[in-house]
Amino acid sequence: ETGVTQSPTHLIKTRGQQVTLRCSSQSGHNTVSWYQQALGQGPQFIFQYYREEENGRGNFPPRFSGLQFPNYSSELNVNALELDDSALYLCASSKGLAGGDTQYFGPGTRLTVL
Amino acid sequence: AQSVTQLGSHVSVSEGALVLLRCNYSSSVPPYLFWYVQYPNQGLQLLLKYTSAATLVKGINGFEAEFKKSETSFHLTKPSAHMSDAAEYFCAVSTIIQGAQKLVFGQGTRLTINP
Repeated sequence: ETGVTQSPTHLIKTRGQQVTLRCSSQSGHNTVSWYQQALGQGPQFIFQYYREEENGRGNFPPRFSGLQFPNYSSELNVNALELDDSALYLCASSKGLAGGDTQYFGPGTRLTVL
Repeated sequence: AQSVTQLGSHVSVSEGALVLLRCNYSSSVPPYLFWYVQYPNQGLQLLLKYTSAATLVKGINGFEAEFKKSETSFHLTKPSAHMSDAAEYFCAVSTIIQGAQKLVFGQGTRLTINP
């Protein structure tokens, strides 16, 4: 069983640029969630995708957007990058939307904005 | 709103000693609670979760946690620390927002093991 994978591992961008991060969900999972983890902090929920639709969003501006594809893989797009966007971006997949469902995390993409 | 508080941003124990990492939750409904571990430069790995089936939950690597409703706590323990346990530990509560299952994490506790 293949786990959650993310690409790229590391990324360096400059302020104002746009970035796309990718995530492949675990086999059998139809739900993908994205989290931002700033240095020294716990992960913060960005949004969740279920069957190709965004079905919940945290306190992040519209310049954070995403997609989910028919194979349940997902992309996170961030426009107009700001210095504070520097963080580890984590993708997690799960089997559904129930409160007790386990979210399985990928290794993350480390984004640095200069 | 549901939240968790992890008491102690850093915990240091000797190898072979008891590990106790504290987590208190706030929830208006019966909670689903999780403990995750994060090794340096890696993602989060599930240690264990509470879904109301049993108050004492056993997880991987010898860890366990006890759900105490009266104390709104879900502390993580391990009887004997190993050097490989050195990592960041996160407690999280699951909440449903706009139909999405969202994990709300604590600030994390960094565990250091002294030889």
